Amino acid sequence: QVQLQESGPGLVKPSETLSLTCAVSGYSISSGYYWGWIRQPPGKGLEWIASVYHSGSTYYNPSLKSRVTISVDTSKNQFSLKVNSVTAADTAVYYCARRSIADDYWGQGTLVTVSS
Amino acid sequence: DIVMTQSPDSLAVSLGERATINCKSSQSVLYSSNNKNYLAWYQHKPGQPPKLLIYWASTRESGVPDRFSGSGSGTDFTLTISSLQAEDVAVYYCQQYYTTPSITFGQGTRLEIK
Repeated sequence: QVQLQESGPGLVKPSETLSLTCAVSGYSISSGYYWGWIRQPPGKGLEWIASVYHSGSTYYNPSLKSRVTISVDTSKNQFSLKVNSVTAADTAVYYCARRSIADDYWGQGTLVTVSS
Repeated sequence: DIVMTQSPDSLAVSLGERATINCKSSQSVLYSSNNKNYLAWYQHKPGQPPKLLIYWASTRESGVPDRFSGSGSGTDFTLTISSLQAEDVAVYYCQQYYTTPSITFGQGTRLEIK
């Protein structure tokens, strides 16, 4: 049973860096597929942020690319997201997900609020 | 970017009746080399992650009830719930993965009971 679990601070101050980790169990990241982050601001729809291939290649939403870094740690079977210089617009539920064909396994999501 | 537009934004249907949600892409998501449409549908309930219902436009994910069906090709797609159940109340999203790993979602359709 593939499971993903997000972790990280629920509150981040404006202009600081948001850091989240997604721990994967039941499947080895190094075996394949894309692994990514998707977010949903309050009252809005879903937005793809970034993905990392099992080989380590990274891909970013152009609208966020200048502020975002995704990385993978195969030894810990987890991948991470950093968003720099956050503002209130980055307040959202952040999901990690596995993409085989489509996004078939998701974490439960974690709410990150940007506020001083 | 491929823009996905869903209609309607919200929908109220009586229990046991048919619900139909439409999704239009700004360019074709049909890949000619394999004749597959790179289009998925998700169900999203409050407090839960989105759940994959349909991929390749019409293939049901394992465990998804057969009252859910997907159809369409190219730029126009439809999700149909043949007989609405109370547990189907949710927001439904279409997603194109033609440009994977860069993907885009529709704005969502809120489905309620009439």
